[in-house]
Parts: sequence; C-alpha cells; structure tokens
Amino acid sequence: GQQVMQIPQYQHVQEGEDFTTYCNSSTTLSNIQWYKQRPGGHPVFLIQLVKSGEVKKQKRLTFQFGEAKKNSSLHITATQTTDVGTYFCARRSSNTGKLIFGQGTTLQVKP
Amino acid sequence: EAQVTQNPRYLITVTGKKLTVTCSQNMNHEYMSWYRQDPGLGLRQIYYSMNVEVTDKGDVPEGYKVSRKEKRNFPLILESPSPNQTSLYFCASSLLYNNEQFFGPGTRLTVL
Repeated sequence: GQQVMQIPQYQHVQEGEDFTTYCNSSTTLSNIQWYKQRPGGHPVFLIQLVKSGEVKKQKRLTFQFGEAKKNSSLHITATQTTDVGTYFCARRSSNTGKLIFGQGTTLQVKP
Repeated sequence: EAQVTQNPRYLITVTGKKLTVTCSQNMNHEYMSWYRQDPGLGLRQIYYSMNVEVTDKGDVPEGYKVSRKEKRNFPLILESPSPNQTSLYFCASSLLYNNEQFFGPGTRLTVL
C-alpha cells in the first residue's frame, strides 16, 4: 500500500558519532516530510523534499530524496545530546489528503 | 503567537462517557488533522479536514467523530470511549494539505 517503512526503530550512539535513519516506500512518493519529536514533546517539522535526488542540509542534518523517489534518509553528523528524540518521515497519499507517517526512529545519545 | 492549542492536555475518563477534545489554530490554516500516537506504531491519522465543512477519514477513524464548522476549530469527539482509545492525541494544521504541519501540544487520554 502507501505505507512508509522507517529503519532502524531505535539507535543508541555515543555523542560525536554519526546517525542515519531511512524511510522506504514501495510506491513512488510525491514528496517526503521529516519531523522531530523531543521526549515529552510534539512533532516539529524539519523539512520537505520534493525533487528526485534532492539533497538539503540544515547545519549538521543532511536530508536526501532518492533518485526513484521511493526512499529518503536523514543523516546527522557528530551527534549532540540535543539531537535526542524520535525522527519521523511522512508521505502524502497520492490521491487524498491523508498524511502517512513512518513508525519513527528513536535516537539516544550518550554523553 | 502562531499556535495550535488543544484542551484538555490530560484526561482520565471511564468507558462509555462521551468526551470532546478541542483543537484550535490561529494561523488561518485550511488543513487540520487529528493523530493518535501509540508506542511502536508512530503517528496514525484519525481524521482530516481540507477546509470548512469538509472532513475525511484517515487510517484509524473507528470510534471517533469530528466536525469543522469554523476554519479555526476542529474538535475530536469520542461518543463512547473504550480502553483501546487510551492514547496520546495530537491535532495539527497546515496552510494547505501539502504544506508543513504545525502540531498542538498533545492530549493524553486514559479510558478506564
């Protein structure tokens, strides 16, 4: 269907290590959004990717959209304790107004 | 301040007692939506509204109702809550359906 699979579900890293979460779809995505939810907080929008092969950077965060528009990734360079939280990708349904979220990747950073 | 507000933030109720969770946004957004968040399942969309008087089912609409009589408000109604509706609920809005979503602070509901 139009689900998005996100891996890994959990990731523990030492502060300073890199981190990547992947979002995969069996169908072509019109766009992909990424959100971050801090522990006890609400999801906050990070970015939207629209074009095939698109790469966008926000400081230590790099977002990529696959050439076939079926996958996306979020890479954090040199993690910090402030990066702790759950990262979600989300896709729009192709023919409705639904927004479908992945299961999320929870990042823990050990200082 | 641009924001999405939800009330109440916490609610403990009993099976079968009707309740309403309110959601309001002050950004003149057309699109509004309700999600529930459960461990391991991520965020699942309950209902959404593309504009006033237009509502549609998300992926988990059973047991819920919504209405969109005004642009700013999108209440979530549980006519007869059951324990499997114990969850963390988020309301969100966006300018249009394909724009970034702004989330409310969440409502933690427990149904005994």
